[in-house]
Amino acid sequence: DAKTTQPPSMDCAEGRAANLPCNHSTISGNEYVYWYRQIHSQGPQYIIHGLKNNETNEMASLIITEDRKSSTLILPHATLRDTAVYYCIVRNYYSSASKIIFGSGTRLSIRP
Amino acid sequence: DSGVTQTPKHLITATGQRVTLRCSPRSGDLSVYWYQQSLDQGLQFLIQYYNGEERAKGNILERFSAQQFPDLHSELNLSSLELGDSALYFCASSVATGTGDTGELFFGEGSRLTVL
Repeated sequence: DAKTTQPPSMDCAEGRAANLPCNHSTISGNEYVYWYRQIHSQGPQYIIHGLKNNETNEMASLIITEDRKSSTLILPHATLRDTAVYYCIVRNYYSSASKIIFGSGTRLSIRP
Repeated sequence: DSGVTQTPKHLITATGQRVTLRCSPRSGDLSVYWYQQSLDQGLQFLIQYYNGEERAKGNILERFSAQQFPDLHSELNLSSLELGDSALYFCASSVATGTGDTGELFFGEGSRLTVL
C-alpha cells in the first residue's frame, strides 16, 4: 500500500504557484521522495525527486521538511497544461527490487 | 516521447481469450515495471523485472503472467480474460545503475485493452 497521503484535489489560478503537499511520516532514512504526474490517460511523467535537500529542475521545485515527514511540490507558474493528477511516492534509490506504488494522488485543476 | 514503446496501442477481444502486450524499454534500462489502470482508477502495480529476473510482485492475478527477455523487452500475458480486465496497461522502464535502478520511471503510452 502507498506510504504517502495527499489531498484528493486542489485548484490553482493560472500564472500562480501551485503548492502540492504530501505526507510521508513513515519514510525511512534511505528512501527518496519522488513526484510524478499523469495528464488525462497518458503515461505518468516523472517530475522530480529528492532525499532531504530542496531540489529544483525546469519543471518544479521540491521542498522536503527537515524531519522528512512531509514535502511540497511547487509549480512556480501554473498553466492550463499543468492540469493533471500528481503522485507523491517514496522509494529506496538504487533498488533492484521495488514495488513503486502510486496512491490516489492529487487532482490539480488550473483555472483560467 | 519517453523512449518506451508499447504495442498494441488498442486491443479489443472477447471474454475467455488470451492476449499479449509488449513493451520495449528505453535503451540501456534494465528495469521494467507493469501497471494496470482501470477506468477512473489509480495505477495498480503488477510486477517488476530487472535484467530478466522477476524482482517485485504486486496484486497480479494468477491469470496474468509476464517475462523479460534477454534483449530486455517484456511481455505481459493476460489469459481467460474477463470484462473487469478492461483497462489501460502501462509499462515503464527505469535508468539502470550497477546495483539497481534509480526509481525515475519512464512510461510508455499504454495499451488499452477492451474485453467484450
